[in-house]
Amino acid sequence: SAVISQKPSRDICQRGTSLTIQCQVDSQVTMMFWYRQQPGQSLTLIATANQGSEATYESGFVIDKFPISRPNLTFSTLTVSNMSPEDSSIYLCSAGTSGRGEQYFGPGTRLTVT
Amino acid sequence: EDKVVQSPLSLVVHEGDTVTLNCSYEVTNFRSLLWYKQEKKAPTFLFMLTSSGIEKKSGRLSSILDKKELFSILNITATQTGDSAIYLCAVESFRDMRFGAGTRLTVKP
Repeated sequence: SAVISQKPSRDICQRGTSLTIQCQVDSQVTMMFWYRQQPGQSLTLIATANQGSEATYESGFVIDKFPISRPNLTFSTLTVSNMSPEDSSIYLCSAGTSGRGEQYFGPGTRLTVT
Repeated sequence: EDKVVQSPLSLVVHEGDTVTLNCSYEVTNFRSLLWYKQEKKAPTFLFMLTSSGIEKKSGRLSSILDKKELFSILNITATQTGDSAIYLCAVESFRDMRFGAGTRLTVKP
C-alpha cells in the first residue's frame, strides 16, 4: 500500500481565483489520479496524472479548467482554475501500481468557493 | 453508457446483524470490480475482484463477483458500530473507472 498526503486539507476561495492542490505519495507509484466528490455524491474521476506528459482527462473535464502536473513518480498537482461556487467539492488524489484497480486515496481537500 | 448501481442506498442495522450490500454494473470491457469503505474523506480499499465465483475474505467482510449476471455482493457479518460508513463499489474498464453512488451503512449499538 501507499501513504498519500494532500495539501491543503481545506480552503475557502473567492470566485474567479485558482487553487493548486498538492499530492505526495510516500513511494514510487505507477498511476496517480484525481477525483472530485461533490456534496452527497460519489467519486468522479477527473483525470489520470501521467508522469512527464499531459494528463488524460475524463469526459466533461478539460485541461484549461483543471491543469495537472506530475513531474515525478511521487508527486502531482491539480489546479482548479477560475473557480465558481459549482467547484465547491472534495478533491481526492489517489495512487496505484497496477492499472486503475487497487488505489489508495489521500485524505482529500475540501474546497469551498464563495 | 457504463453504469454502476448500488443498493440499498442506505441501511440501518443493529450490532451483531449481518448485512449484504449489492453492486450491479453495465460496463464495456470489464477489468475489475472494487469495494471501498469511506468513513470521512478518504476511501479505503477493501477488495478487488476479477474472477467470478471466487470469494475474497477479510475478517468479517467478504465479497464475491458474478460476471455472468454482472453483480457483486459485499457481506459484513457480526456488524459493529465501527462498520458505519459509506461503502463504495467501483468498476474498472479499459476506458475508465466508475464509482457507484454508495451504500450508507449505519450500525446502531
